[in-house]
Amino acid sequence: DAKTTQPPSMDCAEGRAANLPCNHSTISGNEYVYWYRQIHSQGPQYIIHGLKNNETNEMASLIITEDRKSSTLILPHATLRDTAVYYCIALNTNAGKSTFGDGTTLTVKP
Amino acid sequence: DAGITQSPRHKVTETGTPVTLRCHQTENHRYMYWYRQDPGHGLRLIHYSYGVKDTDKGEVSDGYSVSRSKTEDFLLTLESATSSQTSVYFCAIRGQGAGANVLTFGAGSRLTVL
Repeated sequence: DAKTTQPPSMDCAEGRAANLPCNHSTISGNEYVYWYRQIHSQGPQYIIHGLKNNETNEMASLIITEDRKSSTLILPHATLRDTAVYYCIALNTNAGKSTFGDGTTLTVKP
Repeated sequence: DAGITQSPRHKVTETGTPVTLRCHQTENHRYMYWYRQDPGHGLRLIHYSYGVKDTDKGEVSDGYSVSRSKTEDFLLTLESATSSQTSVYFCAIRGQGAGANVLTFGAGSRLTVL
């Protein structure tokens, strides 16, 4: 899996959009970008994934650059409950190994 | 989480004793994973399995062994626990096929080695 790089921490005001960046400059053509989040000490939960097109679901939007070297997770209206650690990983769905980095700690402030 | 359970959820043991953590799934997924997470850090892959009796090492496999004798169970064993193995251990499962490559995590097993 390609290595991903994320800022260690970010703040966001409640009600505003949270934009979390991820760099994956060595991503290969068959690797998807997946985002997870971990609240407190719970197990991480899936948010969204994409290959090259932008994606949106009920939780978030994922914007992937045209060269696929970076992506941004967007939480459109952040709430206090969105405070969590967010992980971006590059996953080859035909391979078994799935590795995580240290993620970004997002703090949503009132 | 639905479809995946870890046991025990909490364990305190002494240095030098063997410890086995169990991950059980009801989803019939091919891939199973063990991660550890230390305070202030992300998840680090210990071992993973891609089928019955098929396992491979992750980033931090030293001091750990695994076994998968049936699809639903993936065991993580610390042959002789050390204080550096005090951590929270997460198991995860993953299917295959379009839309099925999402990792689903268990609730975690907190291990303290005194």
